[in-house]
Amino acid sequence: AQRVTQPEKLLSVFKGAPVELKCNYSYSGSPELFWYVQYSRQRLQLLLRHISRESIKGFTADLNKGETSFHLKKPFAQEEDSAMYYCALSRRSSGSARQLTFGSGTQLTVLP
Amino acid sequence: DGGITQSPKYLFRKEGQNVTLSCEQNLNHDAMYWYRQDPGQGLRLIYYSQIVNDFQKGDIAEGYSVSREKKESFPLTVTSAQKNPTAFYLCASSHLVGPQHFGDGTRLSIL
Repeated sequence: AQRVTQPEKLLSVFKGAPVELKCNYSYSGSPELFWYVQYSRQRLQLLLRHISRESIKGFTADLNKGETSFHLKKPFAQEEDSAMYYCALSRRSSGSARQLTFGSGTQLTVLP
Repeated sequence: DGGITQSPKYLFRKEGQNVTLSCEQNLNHDAMYWYRQDPGQGLRLIYYSQIVNDFQKGDIAEGYSVSREKKESFPLTVTSAQKNPTAFYLCASSHLVGPQHFGDGTRLSIL
């Protein structure tokens, strides 16, 4: 069965410091991974996905199949990055909609 | 502001009562989803639908039912068989191969 683990429920860093939110997964198929973010009083929204290999708001995440990880990183944290972050793994039957398995989330607080 | 609309924002259920949570989208998405979120846990998939008049069970479908009579709508009924219904419920939609867009959620509590 698929599983997504985010070991840190809470993470605090100072403004300007690097930040890394950890995500590990277990899945027997070929994984497709996402990071979702929920800012205070806003909807859950997609931050980035591994197939895009893009940087959004300064965040990047690299899929490491050997370590089964998809950690989210940013070199210099900003106060506006404070939010709840969820790692999610997609499993899909042939031609069908994605079924996402979410981790339990990490609440990031960036201190001034 | 379009997108996904969930209603009501807060809902209370009495013992033995069925309640229905509404989810409407105007994004022309084919797929719609219902998730449940409990404190300290991630979202868990209840049901999803890829097309009108079709839906599939997710990981925790017991005690829930859905319908998909229109592309825009995917209501979730929490039945009396669901013994622990207190939770935050999120609806999402997507194109079949696109990212999921979420609503604001409905918080269900037991009276």
